[in-house]
Amino acid sequence: SQQGEEDPQALSIQEGENATMNCSYKTSINNLQWYRQNSGRGLVHLILIRSNEREKHSGRLRVTLDTSKKSSSLLITASRAADTASYFCATDANGGFKTIFGAGTRLFVKA
Amino acid sequence: KAGVTQTPRYLIKTRGQQVTLSCSPISGHRSVSWYQQTPGQGLQFLFEYFSETQRNKGNFPGRFSGRQFSNSRSEMNVSTLELGDSALYLCASSLAGAGDEQYFGPGTRLTVT
Repeated sequence: SQQGEEDPQALSIQEGENATMNCSYKTSINNLQWYRQNSGRGLVHLILIRSNEREKHSGRLRVTLDTSKKSSSLLITASRAADTASYFCATDANGGFKTIFGAGTRLFVKA
Repeated sequence: KAGVTQTPRYLIKTRGQQVTLSCSPISGHRSVSWYQQTPGQGLQFLFEYFSETQRNKGNFPGRFSGRQFSNSRSEMNVSTLELGDSALYLCASSLAGAGDEQYFGPGTRLTVT
C-alpha cells in the first residue's frame, strides 16, 4: 500500500478561502515533499520539509510536519482558481533512494 | 536550464509488443527515477538510477526494466505489453536522488490495445 495517504480525497472551495490537506505516512522518513499536478500532466515540486523541521513556508504555502504522529499538512492561503490541481505528498521511505507518493487530494477552487 | 524531456509523448501499442521510453534529465542531474501513474493505483515508483547504477526498484514484474547512460539519459523498457500497462509514465531527475526534490517531465502516455 501507499506510504502516504492524503485526506481529504477531494476538496472544493471558493476563491480566496484557505485549503488544508493532510498526509499520513507509515515508516520513518528523512524528508517529506508536496507536489502539484494539473490535469494529468507532470508534477511540480512545491516544498520539501526535513524530518527535523516542524514548519516551513513558501509564498502562500505552509507545511507542517509531526513525526510523532507521522503526519503532515499543507495549507494554501487565499486560494486562486489557478490552484485547482491534485496535490500529492511524497516521502523518501527513510532514505532508500525511492519516493513513495500518496493517493493525492483533488482541489477545486471556484472563481 | 532546459527541463526534463520525455519522448515520445504519446504511444499506442498492442498487447504482446514491447516499448522503449526515453528521458533526458536536467543538465547536471545524475539521478533519474521512473513512475507509473494510473487512475486506480496512483503514482507508483518503478526504479531509480544514479550514475548508471540502479539503486532501487519498485514492485513491478521483470517485464519492466531500465537503464541509464553515461550522459545520465535514461530509458525504460516494457516487454510483452499487457492492457494493464496503459498509463502515464513519468520520469524525474534530481541532484541527490529519489527522496530529494525531483523535477518531472511531462510524461509519456502509453495506451495498450
